[in-house]
Amino acid sequence: GEDVEQSLFLSVREGDSSVINCTYTDSSSTYLYWYKQEPGAGLQLLTYIFSNMDMKQDQRLTVLLNKKDKHLSLRIADTQTGDSAIYFCAEKKDTGRRALTFGSGTRLQVQP
Amino acid sequence: ETGVTQTPRHLVMGMTNKKSLKCEQHLGHNAMYWYKQSAKKPLELMFVYSLEERVENNSVPSRFSPECPNSSHLFLHLHTLQPEDSALYLCASSQEAGGGWDTQYFGPGTRLTVL
Repeated sequence: GEDVEQSLFLSVREGDSSVINCTYTDSSSTYLYWYKQEPGAGLQLLTYIFSNMDMKQDQRLTVLLNKKDKHLSLRIADTQTGDSAIYFCAEKKDTGRRALTFGSGTRLQVQP
Repeated sequence: ETGVTQTPRHLVMGMTNKKSLKCEQHLGHNAMYWYKQSAKKPLELMFVYSLEERVENNSVPSRFSPECPNSSHLFLHLHTLQPEDSALYLCASSQEAGGGWDTQYFGPGTRLTVL
């Protein structure tokens, strides 16, 4: 299977919370990231978490990490139409390699 | 406002053409990256440069040739491409390549179409 997996699509109503999930396979992952990509644009770093943390909150964003299950989630509170985009989970492994391994992305659609 | 710029934003080329993609970072970073984003695959790393030296090459065909003349500029030279090379090519930079905390910042990408 893929190193990093995400569900392809999520639809929510404006004002609701969105939860985007990600699973990874490599326990040596040291840093985990969430990027946002709007149509026609590059990837914008949203937030990150170190592998020795369980949770990180940054304004409307909350990242939860379950190391035992290798599960990462991004919660967006009070989701707005401007949050509609593709969200990518990425991991950096502790192998000396510089590359990030990305998931396929979750398309978030926010209904007004 | 992005600290990483890419030109052109869109490029259409024939299979026999030669073209180049340009990336410039204004962040004072030491490492630069080329990624390929195609419709049916996750983002794929192509090349990594650290202090102008190529440090990673992920089995990329020789029809893609990177060049890093200084730590602020990165090029991707293209020749005799195939239609399956059509994709969004993303450039990124980071402060320090290698281990430790190292966030990659991305440019807007060049949308390449090969006819």
